Amino acid sequence: NAGVTQTPKFQVLKTGQSMTLQCAQDMNHEYMSWYRQDPGMGLRLIHYSVGAGITDQGEVPNGYNVSRSTTEDFPLRLLSAAPSQTSVYFCASSYQLSGANVLTFGAGSRLTVL
Amino acid sequence: ILNVEQSPQSLHVQEGDSTNFTCSFPSSNFYALHWYRWETAKSPEALFVMTLNGDEKKKGRISATLNTKEGYSYLYIKGSQPEDSATYLCAFYSGNTPLVFGKGTRLSVIA
Repeated sequence: NAGVTQTPKFQVLKTGQSMTLQCAQDMNHEYMSWYRQDPGMGLRLIHYSVGAGITDQGEVPNGYNVSRSTTEDFPLRLLSAAPSQTSVYFCASSYQLSGANVLTFGAGSRLTVL
Repeated sequence: ILNVEQSPQSLHVQEGDSTNFTCSFPSSNFYALHWYRWETAKSPEALFVMTLNGDEKKKGRISATLNTKEGYSYLYIKGSQPEDSATYLCAFYSGNTPLVFGKGTRLSVIA
């Protein structure tokens, strides 16, 4: 049982390049989400999804795009990378969007934009 | 945006000391409060989910209490050990919107 798998673990981009961070879970979780972690800022929600075909914006969605075509996968796309998007990105999932369900986090993806 | 505050921001304690820190959250529209433990270079892992006013949860030397009427939760660590060094995050759930995380309390336990 792999849990939440994020790829890549590390990535360096140049300003203006695009890329996709992959997130997959094998726990049949309906709820999936993307956070970014910056020093002194804690975890900030970028986008989330309560099920296949449904996505919504979080606190800091600008510059990012998501889709949820399957229950298992929730990729995060950076459309035109900017230095301000240098961060550590975490994907997290839970059975449902519910206070009773804890989040299971992936191992994180460290992105540097030059 | 809901405001979830954690204090202190960081804490250094000696091995064997007991310690506690606070999570403050809005007292209205309360559904649940989560605590997560986040070790350096790893990902956050759930410690507790608390849903009822007066809830107390315990896991080994770590325990937590909840006061939903005044909007706070305490996390206690008894007899701190170096392996307790981590950032402790709380997260507030108010209904159909996602969890809102505090910025965490970074604990360092000195041997």
